[in-house]
Amino acid sequence: AQKVTQAQTEISVVEKEDVTLDCVYETRDTTYYLFWYKQPPSGELVFLIRRNSFDEQNEISGRYSWNFQKSTSSFNFTITASQVVDSAVYFCALSEVLQGAQKLVFGQGTRLTINP
Amino acid sequence: DAGVIQSPRHEVTEMGQEVTLRCKPISGHDYLFWYRQTMMRGLELLIYFNNNVPIDDSGMPEDRFSAKMPNASFSTLKIQPSEPRDSAVYFCASTSGPNEKLFFGSGTQLSVL
Repeated sequence: AQKVTQAQTEISVVEKEDVTLDCVYETRDTTYYLFWYKQPPSGELVFLIRRNSFDEQNEISGRYSWNFQKSTSSFNFTITASQVVDSAVYFCALSEVLQGAQKLVFGQGTRLTINP
Repeated sequence: DAGVIQSPRHEVTEMGQEVTLRCKPISGHDYLFWYRQTMMRGLELLIYFNNNVPIDDSGMPEDRFSAKMPNASFSTLKIQPSEPRDSAVYFCASTSGPNEKLFFGSGTQLSVL
């Protein structure tokens, strides 16, 4: 069965610090997709990144970067020089097609608080 | 594009009443998902549709919950009768294909008293 574990329930850092959010997943399939979503205090869920299981290149987008390591089944998310606006709940998710049906499972989320 | 539109934004009802949540997906998206978010259980998939057909409803809690998608531009999630434990934020999301990113609506905050 699919499973996504975000072991860090809450993280609190001071502005400008770097912070890494961990995500570990379980799947038996060789083809799958990993996602990160952000849920700011306003409540909507915002897509950040999608990565397929065949692409292990790390990705950087501004202050955000993602480290995908199949060997450890991890897809970690790092925010460099954090800002107060980064405060949100961040969700890691795993998607795959099983028996013709898509299965998308979210982790429990990590609440990130950036203090000024 | 208007994005995924959900209504109402907030719903307060009394136990035993029927509740209907509505969703309009992004035009052209063939997949529509209903999620429920609570503090205890996080984000749970309730049901999803492909081309208006329910594909996986294994997440629907019990017979009190039902979902329909009569056409490509509209879906409903109905709870009858509602119970206090149904209180949660219900999200609708749509996407253009399997394993593509989801576009979420703003959610419906449901409170059952």
